[in-house]
Amino acid sequence: QSGLTQPPSASGSPGQSVTISCTGTSSDVGGYNYVSWYQQHPGKAPKLMIYEVTKRPSGVPDRFSGSKSGNTASLTVSGLQAEDEADYYCSSYAGSNNLLFGGGTKLTVL
Amino acid sequence: QVQLQQWGAGLLKPSETLSLTCAVYGGSFSAYYWSWIRQPPGKGLEWIGEINHSGSTNYNPSLKSRATISVDTSKNQFSLRLTSVTAADTAVYYCARGGGTDMIIGYWGQGTLVTVSS
Repeated sequence: QSGLTQPPSASGSPGQSVTISCTGTSSDVGGYNYVSWYQQHPGKAPKLMIYEVTKRPSGVPDRFSGSKSGNTASLTVSGLQAEDEADYYCSSYAGSNNLLFGGGTKLTVL
Repeated sequence: QVQLQQWGAGLLKPSETLSLTCAVYGGSFSAYYWSWIRQPPGKGLEWIGEINHSGSTNYNPSLKSRATISVDTSKNQFSLRLTSVTAADTAVYYCARGGGTDMIIGYWGQGTLVTVSS
């Protein structure tokens, strides 16, 4: 199975909103509501930001939101802040006890 | 407070076996699946596989023939062995809490850079 497809980069100015897409197939993103999003700062381990498409773990600001339509999931960051600059990865359950990640999107806060 | 602390050899020669161990502190060890995930330098994340407290495992099909994940419930530890490594296996390896059907990776270890070079 191939990985999930994300744009390599995204950007926005402070205070703006930016949306990052994650495209898969009906066998992964489209077939299950088990899409997660992770934030990774340079040299650090990833951090869970969204799980089960739309849910936020405790402590994650409500500026981060998730959604899904068909085979594409999306992460929206509203009210961009400087500390949001990081790499973002999506993941999806892919059936048969397998997990797929996206290639990652580098978010730049201009 | 859940913490994962991992260790293992950081420099290997081609054809050798990678071996990493992860200790879990805090939380319930038996209630979760435990995963290994890797990230080649400058690249994205790749799930290697998972194990639960009873030793049930699942692997990424692309690594299944070379990867073995084991568990020691008496120490709340789990381990990864990856045989016949090549330069393509050079990566930061993370242990993590999560897997099973929902595949929610909620806690991560600090990561270990494993370099394969002759």
